[in-house]
Amino acid sequence: EVQLVESGGGLVQPGGSLRLSCAASGFTFSDHYMDWVRQAPGQGLEWVGRIRNKVNDYTTEYAASVKGRFTISRDDSKKSLYLQMNSLKTEDTAVYYCVRVASSSYGRDHFDYWGQGILVTVSS
Amino acid sequence: DIQLTQSPSFLSASVGDRVTITCRASQGISNYLVWYQQKPGKAPKLLIYAASTLQSGVPSRFSGSGSGTEFTLTISSLQPEDFATYYCQQLNSYPRTFGQGTKVEIK
Repeated sequence: EVQLVESGGGLVQPGGSLRLSCAASGFTFSDHYMDWVRQAPGQGLEWVGRIRNKVNDYTTEYAASVKGRFTISRDDSKKSLYLQMNSLKTEDTAVYYCVRVASSSYGRDHFDYWGQGILVTVSS
Repeated sequence: DIQLTQSPSFLSASVGDRVTITCRASQGISNYLVWYQQKPGKAPKLLIYAASTLQSGVPSRFSGSGSGTEFTLTISSLQPEDFATYYCQQLNSYPRTFGQGTKVEIK
C-alpha cells in the first residue's frame, strides 16, 4: 500500500524557516518524481514544486511564489522527500501535501497519491 | 502561466441528478487535464487523467471529456458520497496550475 506521511509542520514567525519531511512507503520511491502542493485555509490548491528522479538528475521546478525561498530535495536511500522553507511569509500559511507523480511522461504526470497534509502557520 | 477557470464555482444538486462541471484553459493544453475530488479535511483524490481516462477504482458514473481549451467532468447520477469540491489541473506546462474549484453541495 502506498503511503506518504508528512511531518515537520507547525507555527513559525514571519521571516523564519521550517523543513517539512515526507516519508514514503509501498512503492519504489527512487523511480518517481515527487511534488509538493499546498492549500491555504479555505482556499484552493496551489502547486509548489517538483523534484525529478535520479535518471533526470534530480532537477527541480518551482512556482514563482516560492522560487528562491523554498528548496525541494530527496534522499532515495531513506525514501524521503523534503521541503526547506526559508524567508517565510504569512501568505505561506497552508496545509502542505506531499504527492507522488504517477509517470514521468509528458502530460501524464498527474498526482496519483497524496499524503494527509501538514499544517504550516506563519504568524507573529 | 496557464489559467484554468471552472464553472460554476458552486453547485447545489440532489441525489440522482446529472452534474456537469466545466474547466476552461487560457490556452490550448491538448488533453493534458486532470480532475481531482476533495472532501472536507481530506487530501484530494485523483478521478480522471488525460481528460477522459478514469483512474482505477473510481466509479463509472464519473466521466471526463474535452480537448484543447474546454473540458467537462460529468457525474451521471449524483450519490451522497459525491458531495465534495472538484478541481481541474493542467499538465501542459509549468507551473502546474489548478482551477479554483467547484463545490458541489446537497440541494
